[in-house]
Formats: sequence, C-alpha cells, structure tokens
Amino acid sequence: DTGVSQDPRHKITKRGQNVTFRCDPISEHNRLYWYRQTLGQGPEFLTYFQNEAQLEKSRLLSDRFSAERPKGSFSTLEIQRTEQGDSAMYLCASSLGGSWNNEQFFGPGTRLTVL
Amino acid sequence: RKEVEQDPGPFNVPEGATVAFNCTYSNSASQSFFWYRQDCRKEPKLLMSVYSSGNEDGRFTAQLNRASQYISLLIRDSKLSDSATYLCVVKTGANNLFFGTGTRLTVIP
Repeated sequence: DTGVSQDPRHKITKRGQNVTFRCDPISEHNRLYWYRQTLGQGPEFLTYFQNEAQLEKSRLLSDRFSAERPKGSFSTLEIQRTEQGDSAMYLCASSLGGSWNNEQFFGPGTRLTVL
Repeated sequence: RKEVEQDPGPFNVPEGATVAFNCTYSNSASQSFFWYRQDCRKEPKLLMSVYSSGNEDGRFTAQLNRASQYISLLIRDSKLSDSATYLCVVKTGANNLFFGTGTRLTVIP
C-alpha cells in the first residue's frame, strides 16, 4: 500500500498522559499536514511541513502540542498532558508541492480517546 | 464567522434522485475550491476540484460563484453508493485547507 499511513489507529489514554502519533506520507510527497476532526465537524488544520521545515501552525495548536518531521519523511505529533478535550481523530495528509491545485491525500487517522 | 459554512443535513433521498449541496466561504481571497467525500469512520477523499467556469465529472457537477462566495455540488441519478458526508473545502493563501462541517447524504433504496 503506497498511501499515507498512520500509527496507531486507536489510542486510549488517561488525562495527563503524553501521547505520540506517527504519520508516514506518500514517499515522493514533500508536504505533510496534520488535522484534527471531532464528531460532526470537518477536519481542522493544525500544522504543515514542507520537507523538514514546519512552515505554519494553527492557533489550535497549543503549547502542549508539538510536531516534528526530522528528516523530511515521516512526522510525529505529540500531545503532552492530555485533556479530555483532546479526544478527536487526528488526520495526517500529504501532497506534492509545486502545483496550485495539489491534492492532499489523507491517511486513515488516529482516533484518540482521553479518559 | 467560520471560513466555510455548509448545511449539515442530513439529506435523505431516494435512488435516482437529484440532490444539490451548497456552501459559502468567508474569505474573498480564497483561491482553490474542492469537494471531498468522507465515508463513515474513513478519511476524506477528493471528489473533485471546483473551477470558476463550473465542471462536471459524470453524475457530479460543481459550480463556483466568486461574487457570492458560493460553491455548489449537484449529484444526478443518486446511487446507494453515494451515501457519505460531502465536505466543502477552500484553500486560502497558504497550503492548508479549510473544511466545512460536511453535509450528510443518505440514498434510500
């Protein structure tokens, strides 16, 4: 399967714990995005990388959230001191830069439940 | 005000019906427009881009009205397999996408 993959698919954690999610984009894609989706809502943009550089962060991305893409390939999203409001589906997407209409391909998501 | 507003539905239509979804966007500088489809518990997938002149892909027709900041999607001859949530998506400036809440469609046999 050459699509975007995410790991884990599901994560249940207790409030206050730290969690880390991984995203592997489509191999030739230089752009990588993280989104969050809650029930009944569309995905909301969190952050964006071009290669290893994090170029944009949403105001939704509080200090407890950090994302990295150290070698310009896979990315990790860490949430520290999780809160119940962090419960959501975390979606990763990737695209090939250089086109005004570059399609973003989404991974299956990591569903986080904070108890 | 939200970047993209959509009627969440649900829309329940019989097979073979024609159904139309609309959305509005708030930023007049928005540059690119899309409809994504999301099946239950799945990731969003691009259905079609929306061009200023309007565009058609089989049973699906998308239209854009920049003056009114309005986007539409028309589905003709609905199939059971069209049941999904349809997300109106706008790209403004940089590379991130702004999604509407989605409109849920159920096609009934």
